[in-house]
Amino acid sequence: DAGVIQSPRHEVTEMGQEVTLRCKPISGHDYLFWYRQTMMRGLELLIYFNNNVPIDDSGMPEDRFSAKMPNASFSTLKIQPSEPRDSAVYFCASTYQGPSFQETQYFGPGTRLLVL
Amino acid sequence: QKEVEQDPGPLSVPEGAIVSLNCTYSNSAFQYFMWYRQYSRKGPELLMYTYSSGNKEDGRFTAQVDKSSKYISLFIRDSQPSDSATYLCAGTSGSRLTFGEGTQLTVNP
Repeated sequence: DAGVIQSPRHEVTEMGQEVTLRCKPISGHDYLFWYRQTMMRGLELLIYFNNNVPIDDSGMPEDRFSAKMPNASFSTLKIQPSEPRDSAVYFCASTYQGPSFQETQYFGPGTRLLVL
Repeated sequence: QKEVEQDPGPLSVPEGAIVSLNCTYSNSAFQYFMWYRQYSRKGPELLMYTYSSGNKEDGRFTAQVDKSSKYISLFIRDSQPSDSATYLCAGTSGSRLTFGEGTQLTVNP
């Protein structure tokens, strides 16, 4: 398996522009997570889905952020409008909630976002 | 107060040293505890996990959880330069992982 795939790997944009980050989870995984990592705040959970349904979006910082999972193999995280403080590395992770309840999350390589 | 507290370091040790990485947590609902390793410009990868209190050993790595004191530790024996990375501890309740800030470790040859 190719692992979790994220695109783009790097994104530089100007303040006010719309940014869309994409994620393809590992096939067969039924949970998908979006995280943001910064030096100041570490790795923070933004939102997660189970079977394509958003379960917990309490980590989404504000209404400028939105996430969708239209099917089991694709998810997007959108920021509109973007601000400099959104600059961070955004990770997508997926896992399978098997009978052993082992919480092994597999992370993608991340998208480095810089908002100027 | 953060749910998981971790000293960010940086920590620098010579090759062959025993490394001790530690975290404290405040959420009593945490059931599983994980250690993730993150190399520079990569995503975190699971190193070890433990359930409840006790020790778990995997090669040169030992994870330890003391639920009575809400303390999580990772020990690395015979550390190698390839162990240089950021180590993140995490606790989980349900499907939600809560991470510490991560400790940056450098093992010098």
